[in-house]
Amino acid sequence: DIVMTQSPTSMSISVGDRVTMNCKASQNVGSNVDWYQQKTGQSPKLLIYKASNRYTGVPDRFTGSGSGTDFTFTISNMQAEDLAVYYCMQSNSYPYTFGAGTKLELK
Amino acid sequence: EVQLVESGGGLVQPGRSLKLSCAASGFTFSNYYMAWVRQAPKKGLEWVATISTSGSRTYYPDSVKGRFTISRDNAKSSLYLQMNSLKSEDTATYYCARRGQQGFAYWGQGTLVTVSS
Repeated sequence: DIVMTQSPTSMSISVGDRVTMNCKASQNVGSNVDWYQQKTGQSPKLLIYKASNRYTGVPDRFTGSGSGTDFTFTISNMQAEDLAVYYCMQSNSYPYTFGAGTKLELK
Repeated sequence: EVQLVESGGGLVQPGRSLKLSCAASGFTFSNYYMAWVRQAPKKGLEWVATISTSGSRTYYPDSVKGRFTISRDNAKSSLYLQMNSLKSEDTATYYCARRGQQGFAYWGQGTLVTVSS
């Protein structure tokens, strides 16, 4: 199975900060990585698909990049409503696997 | 508007069975792969199963293979997850999700399954 190692586990941030998190795949997954946001008590929400494509309606402060084994997700100007846990997921091959998540908390 | 509504969760004893349902609306159900993803309490997301548009192909991780069966009824726009030989580690919120070329773009609200004696 492909292991998605996500880092950091958590971040203490302030509104307006630039936030960057990473996901490393244990083998080449091409560009088949999605990023999901999950707020407390809610279902996950798709933000980025195929590594760098912003899903419909997602603000442009959210960006994704990478290919192969190394992927990065960035929030350029952190807003209070962005407090959540963010997950990467590879869909290059079954079984699909998620990273363990990065939790964003207010400093 | 796309809607996915799960049902069928509840408290079940270890070793018993439970069947989850997901009612889909707002899109042509038969055109999409569908999936189940679960989340144990205060834990991360785990993909559980995917089914092709016709239902002819199904995929599972080793953690549930042989115990869980995903199925669909395109005429009823419904997705199912039959869970047998349940274990305490299957305790989770189970989400139904629509798989498209853009990823899991739509999710249900989830249904909680608790496996305990």
